[in-house]
Amino acid sequence: IRLVQSGDEVKKPGTSVRLSCKASGYTFTTLGISWVRQAPGQGLEWMAWISANNGATSFAQRFQDRITMTTDTSTSTAYLELRGLTSDDTAVYFCARDSSNYDGGWRIFFDYWGQGSVVTVSS
Amino acid sequence: QSVLTQPPSVSAAPGQKVTISCSGTTSNIGKNFLAWYQQLPGTAPKLLIFDSDKRPSGITDRFSGSKSGTSGTLDITGLHTGDEAVYFCATWDDNLSAVVFGTGTKLAVL
Repeated sequence: IRLVQSGDEVKKPGTSVRLSCKASGYTFTTLGISWVRQAPGQGLEWMAWISANNGATSFAQRFQDRITMTTDTSTSTAYLELRGLTSDDTAVYFCARDSSNYDGGWRIFFDYWGQGSVVTVSS
Repeated sequence: QSVLTQPPSVSAAPGQKVTISCSGTTSNIGKNFLAWYQQLPGTAPKLLIFDSDKRPSGITDRFSGSKSGTSGTLDITGLHTGDEAVYFCATWDDNLSAVVFGTGTKLAVL
């Protein structure tokens, strides 16, 4: 099982970035993909989740207005678009296979991760 | 700002045991299962524990997890220098409707 992410990006403030995450080694449509980012020297921050089965989504509130996620089941690829970039969006962005489900409580876990895509926002 | 609190750092000698704590509330750890991740420098996080106390295939039994009330712990036994990493806990927060991560704990094997 592998998740391979797109390359590093350098963007100007106010622009958008689109990242991809190509999955292999499992049936893509059986699980979801979450996106997690990590600012330099900081911890992990969950951004959003998308079901590769039906396209359902869930977002962290702070990103709700700036994110679009899609999947292409023909290529087993998930995409994240983040708009209105600021310097605070400079981070490593990871996609992760999301094997979460509910069983008397939420069982949230990310069992395979992409290698990360570095996004640098600078004027 | 993380809602799950971890000690910033822990340390122990090779061969010893260390415990990393993760403190939350009734809206997150108190109601949901916990996961633990290991992040080696410059790499993506790696799942160590899911469902609070289960290990994925391929994870050594030197790593074990538990949960009680609104807190969880990760125990690492038989420490060696290869375990030096940052460890994060994570769960779902019902109030935030979001996945929340702990603040992260840096392990030093001295």
